[in-house]
Amino acid sequence: EADIYQTPRYLVIGTGKKITLECSQTMGHDKMYWYQQDPGMELHLIHYSYGVNSTEKGDLSSESTVSRIRTEHFPLTLESARPSHTSQYLCASRDLGNTIYFGEGSWLTVV
Amino acid sequence: DQQVKQNSPSLSVQEGRISILNCDYTNSMFDYFLWYKKYPAEGPTFLISISSIKDKNEDGRFTVFLNKSAKHLSLHIVPSQPGDSAVYFCAATPSGSARQLTFGSGTQLTVLP
Repeated sequence: EADIYQTPRYLVIGTGKKITLECSQTMGHDKMYWYQQDPGMELHLIHYSYGVNSTEKGDLSSESTVSRIRTEHFPLTLESARPSHTSQYLCASRDLGNTIYFGEGSWLTVV
Repeated sequence: DQQVKQNSPSLSVQEGRISILNCDYTNSMFDYFLWYKKYPAEGPTFLISISSIKDKNEDGRFTVFLNKSAKHLSLHIVPSQPGDSAVYFCAATPSGSARQLTFGSGTQLTVLP
């Protein structure tokens, strides 16, 4: 059982608003990830982190930014949300055995 | 170019029968494979994994088979239950890579009562 938490689970916001999606894990994992998934589509990596103060962009270009000030916390921020940002955002962390554990996801709708 | 392919977008199986979900990969660097189950509006849940040093791994009703020469893996669920109805994703990674976990597009499994 993985202990990784995302908030909010569901959010509807207006265009131009700033939003931060929170992600926390209590397992002490160094490696953390953000994936984006549209309904019926594959998961795409948008950000990852090897540890504190380490962040890298993933395979899918994203206008979001991330930070990793603490091991357990990996928030994702959109400075100015647009309808094209409407998607499900999944946070994950990876154990030493290469298994990735996901949070329950944050559904973002930008209107 | 999709490095991990799940060619069947959907599969329907009768309750109590075997479900077989298939996955093919092209990248020879992949040596660790995982299966996830996903319900709508939830995050993927890890099910089972297999390292390339094995050709089979079993956990309860779930068994994953790996055929390295064919670059093919499959997930068997026996017996299938209605609660197994979900989207199943296979994923693959080079075990030394921190960033690269490539997912397939998923297969919607429906188990009919």
